[in-house]
Amino acid sequence: GAGVSQSPRYKVAKRGQDVALRCDPISGHVSLFWYQQALGQGPEFLTYFQNEAQLDKSGLPSDRFFAERPEGSVSTLKIQRTQQEDSAVYLCASSFQLTRAQHFGDGTRLSIL
Amino acid sequence: KNEVEQSPQNLTAQEGEFITINCSYSVGISALHWLQQHPGGGIVSLFMLSSGKKKHGRLIATINIQEKHSSLHITASHPRDSAVYICAVQFQGAQKLVFGQGTRLTINP
Repeated sequence: GAGVSQSPRYKVAKRGQDVALRCDPISGHVSLFWYQQALGQGPEFLTYFQNEAQLDKSGLPSDRFFAERPEGSVSTLKIQRTQQEDSAVYLCASSFQLTRAQHFGDGTRLSIL
Repeated sequence: KNEVEQSPQNLTAQEGEFITINCSYSVGISALHWLQQHPGGGIVSLFMLSSGKKKHGRLIATINIQEKHSSLHITASHPRDSAVYICAVQFQGAQKLVFGQGTRLTINP
């Protein structure tokens, strides 16, 4: 596609439910990043993939958060047993290589009730 | 304390004014990014720079590596420039971006 595509655009879930957020990076981009943006704040790093390898997951806030990119293209961020503090916009970005600019998707706005 | 500091947090100006947004950071970087975020969440990369100055249309970005400081300038500002502008850095040896908290810019007609 022309840009980074994220789905769903909006997600509402009840506390305790599991959610899965999808990111389709730009074709050929080997680096993929997930960021979390709380209301009124700048984004914060969650995790990073180089192809299918998850090279840095230091930003994942708890073991309820899990990300994968099994074939080195589409990535899924999964949050288990959601809590209200998980409510945020989840942004995905991809780049052709580490020294190039990151291209961002429009994000998934997650609301936990 | 955030490793990337932006100022001002909010800026309101009249159409046509020259705009400056500042960004300072704590340690050596490999690259600095200026990003634009409109309501609804979408982020657009404006500039990626590691030294000197870059210009694109009415936007100019400068960086001073010694002073660990960057500025984003908008000339002849227009209401469509209204957005949140975010500075983000890649610290040396790291791939992830570390973001400032953003500057909310409002340009009134």
